[in-house]
Amino acid sequence: AQSVAQPEDQVNVAEGNPLTVKCTYSVSGNPYLFWYVQYPNRGLQFLLKYITGDNLVKGSYGFEAEFNKSQTSFHLKKPSALVSDSALYFCAVSLQTGANNLFFGTGTRLTVIP
Amino acid sequence: GAGVSQTPSNKVTEKGKYVELRCDPISGHTALYWYRQSLGQGPEFLIYFQGTGAADDSGLPNDRFFAVRPEGSVSTLKIQRTERGDSAVYLCASSSPPAGEQFFGPGTRLTVL
Repeated sequence: AQSVAQPEDQVNVAEGNPLTVKCTYSVSGNPYLFWYVQYPNRGLQFLLKYITGDNLVKGSYGFEAEFNKSQTSFHLKKPSALVSDSALYFCAVSLQTGANNLFFGTGTRLTVIP
Repeated sequence: GAGVSQTPSNKVTEKGKYVELRCDPISGHTALYWYRQSLGQGPEFLIYFQGTGAADDSGLPNDRFFAVRPEGSVSTLKIQRTERGDSAVYLCASSSPPAGEQFFGPGTRLTVL
């Protein structure tokens, strides 16, 4: 069975500071890993994905994430947070074997404090 | 439009009624997905279409839920005999190729009174 854990419901960070949103996963095969962001009253927006290759993945709006197979983690990071980054962030996983549905974590609300 | 669209944006119905939720995917996307998001939770997978056929419907909670995609484009999620527990935001997504990132619509908020 596949599962995703986002251990922090809420992350607060000062504007200009680096941010990290944590994600760990559990799958029975090789994973595809994704980060999505959800702004109020808007749909989920794709940020970045890991399929294969380089463990450090760069995505939209200056975000990046590092795939760590030994720790089964895919933490989202940004070197310098903006107030506009405040939103709900979801980590998701699917299998490489052809099952394409995404399994989502419960989300982490990021608040960037001016 | 360029994105995934869903109608209606809001639907209020009474317990026991039948509802239909519509999804119009991005043009050319062959894969279409339905998810359900309850308050404070991440989206939960319901069903996945590749073309006209349901490739995986393992997430449908029971036989009151059914979805179709007759021409391989627009999809309709149908819920019979609605229950209060069906209240949630229903999300549709599409992708191409199937293993690529999914693009989500704004969702339909269903409220069952």
